[in-house]
Amino acid sequence: GNSVTQMEGPVTLSEEAFLTINCTYTATGYPSLFWYVQYPGEGLQLLLKATKADDKGSNKGFEATYRKETTSFHLEKGSVQVSDSAVYFCALHNQAGTALIFGKGTTLSVSS
Amino acid sequence: SAVISQKPSRDICQRGTSLTIQCQVDSQVTMMFWYRQQPGQSLTLIATANQGSEATYESGFVIDKFPISRPNLTFSTLTVSNMSPEDSSIYLCSVTVNGPTEAFFGQGTRLTVV
Repeated sequence: GNSVTQMEGPVTLSEEAFLTINCTYTATGYPSLFWYVQYPGEGLQLLLKATKADDKGSNKGFEATYRKETTSFHLEKGSVQVSDSAVYFCALHNQAGTALIFGKGTTLSVSS
Repeated sequence: SAVISQKPSRDICQRGTSLTIQCQVDSQVTMMFWYRQQPGQSLTLIATANQGSEATYESGFVIDKFPISRPNLTFSTLTVSNMSPEDSSIYLCSVTVNGPTEAFFGQGTRLTVV
């Protein structure tokens, strides 16, 4: 079946540190891959996405590259800010008309 | 894109009672979904709300506990019935637009059962 595995948190970093949150997936065919972010007290927001192999999604300084050979979609940011503190969810969508499948979420805490 | 209004945003309910959560979308959408996010956990799909027919429930979720209505292409409700403290969660409505390219979420309903 389809599934998403992402690194356990919490991840605690100092401001301006480099961030990597690992995400790997299991799916048949060619899923679309997403990172969603949930800031404290807010709803889920799409952060970035990639719909085919080797695509790079980017937004707000975050990047993730769709790697089919390693079935991965790791989230990276070169210099995190306190305002990046949130829960990050990796997700996949494999078939039109079906719901997203989410990883467990990774809590990021950035201190100044 | 799609803007989703979900109500109520939070509620505290007595065990044994029921709560109905509303989800209103600003445009017609084919697919609407209901998720549960238990404290510290990821999102778990409860069901797909189908317009004009019964909802499709995921394993572990049943219609008697989580009845869903979908009277038209812009609105759905989820009822959490005969609540117990284990039902304390965030419940989220979601829609997909343009196939798999993006899913949009409501702000969620934070339910506490006492």
